[in-house]
Amino acid sequence: GQNIDQPTEMTATEGAIVQINCTYQTSGFNGLFWYQQHAGEAPTFLSYNVLDGLEEKGRFSSFLSRSKGYSYLLLKELQMKDSASYLCAVRSAYQAGTALIFGKGTTLSVSS
Amino acid sequence: DAGVIQSPRHEVTEMGQEVTLRCKPISGHDYLFWYRQTMMRGLELLIYFNNNVPIDDSGMPEDRFSAKMPNASFSTLKIQPSEPRDSAVYFCASSPGTSEIDIQYFGAGTRLSVL
Repeated sequence: GQNIDQPTEMTATEGAIVQINCTYQTSGFNGLFWYQQHAGEAPTFLSYNVLDGLEEKGRFSSFLSRSKGYSYLLLKELQMKDSASYLCAVRSAYQAGTALIFGKGTTLSVSS
Repeated sequence: DAGVIQSPRHEVTEMGQEVTLRCKPISGHDYLFWYRQTMMRGLELLIYFNNNVPIDDSGMPEDRFSAKMPNASFSTLKIQPSEPRDSAVYFCASSPGTSEIDIQYFGAGTRLSVL
C-alpha cells in the first residue's frame, strides 16, 4: 500500500528552528513535495526533492533520503506567518502529471 | 495568470440534492486534478485528466460522483445525490506536464456542506 506519515501537530516560538519529518512507503518514487497550507486556503508549493540531499530556499530547506524513505522540512527564523499546515506529498510514478499522494499534514503553531 | 479558479467557494445543500463544482485550470496546463480534503483522511485524489481525458478515477468514492472536462479550460465535479458524508473541501489543481518537477497549482477550493 501507499503510506505517508508526518506528525499531526508541532509548536515553536518566533525566531526558532523547527524540523518537520515525513516518512513514506509507496509503490514507486519520482519526487517528494512539500506544500504549505494556511487555514482556509489552498496548498501552495514550497519545495521539491528527487535526489538525496538538501535543497535550500531562503528560510526553508528540505532533505531527502530515498533509501530510508524519509524527508524533512526545516524552517529557520520562524515568523508568526509560518503558522500553517505543512503537507508532505510523493509522486509515485515516473511521468509528469502523475497525481500526488499526500500525508495528512503537520499543523505548526508559532507563538511569540 | 489568474491561477486555478474554482466556483462556488462555499456550497450548502440538503441531502439528496445534486451538487456541481466547477474549475478553470491555468491556461496551457495539460493536467487537471480533483482532490477532496477532510480532517480524518487529509487530501485525497479523486480523479485526474490529461488533455481533457480522464486518466485515473480510482479515487472517486462511488457512482454518485462524476467528473467531466469538456474542454481545456473547464471541468466539473458532480455529486448526485449528495450525502452528509460528502461534506469536505474540494480542491482543483492543474500542472503543465512539461517538466520533471511539474508543480501542481491549487485553486482556493469549494467548501461543501451537505445537511
